[in-house]
Amino acid sequence: SYELTQPPSVSVSPGQTASITCSGDKLGEMYAGWYQQKPGQSPVLVIYRDTERPSGIPERFSGSNSGNTATLTIRGTQAMDEADYYCQAWDTSTSCVFGTGTRVTVL
Amino acid sequence: QDQLLESGGGVVRPGRSLRLSCAASGFSFSNYALHWVRQAPGKGLFWVASISYDGSKRYYADSVKGRFTISRDNSKNTLSLQMNSLRTEDTALYYCARELIGAQGTFFDSWGQGTLVSVSS
Repeated sequence: SYELTQPPSVSVSPGQTASITCSGDKLGEMYAGWYQQKPGQSPVLVIYRDTERPSGIPERFSGSNSGNTATLTIRGTQAMDEADYYCQAWDTSTSCVFGTGTRVTVL
Repeated sequence: QDQLLESGGGVVRPGRSLRLSCAASGFSFSNYALHWVRQAPGKGLFWVASISYDGSKRYYADSVKGRFTISRDNSKNTLSLQMNSLRTEDTALYYCARELIGAQGTFFDSWGQGTLVSVSS
């Protein structure tokens, strides 16, 4: 089965840039999305179709996807961005796959 | 505004059945594909099943295929998940999620608050 691998944790200072990677075989040939989940809350879509932001998502969130890696970048990270982040893709076998998740800590 | 409200969770013995429901409001229910996604305690997200806007296409994760059945009633704006032969590893918070329309790819733009299923002897 298809797998998406993320680093377990990323630490960032306030105002700096956080980058979260998501690795999977030929991931760049699919469309990737990203979800933010804060403790006790439901996930929120922050990036879809590799680079698109849903309405209401701040411009500091951006995405890219090429080769075997998708990346979520948070520029000017704020304390409110501290959360778990999951990548997601839909593979060719009509199955949805989520990444292993990354906890972002704003120090 | 768009709302998805799950219900039906609870504590159940292994091998027994449970039926989850998701009531939708605030959007044109019959236009959207819908999904169930679960999250075991302290773990990540896991996609369970999906159903097309008209109910004609259904897909399942391998681990639930043959045990779970997803269905919908567009006249009642309701999504369901019939779970049979439950296992301890099915213990999780089950979310109902709406698929984003026209995104070229499958993404979930609205989620419910989840309903907790605990399978234990």
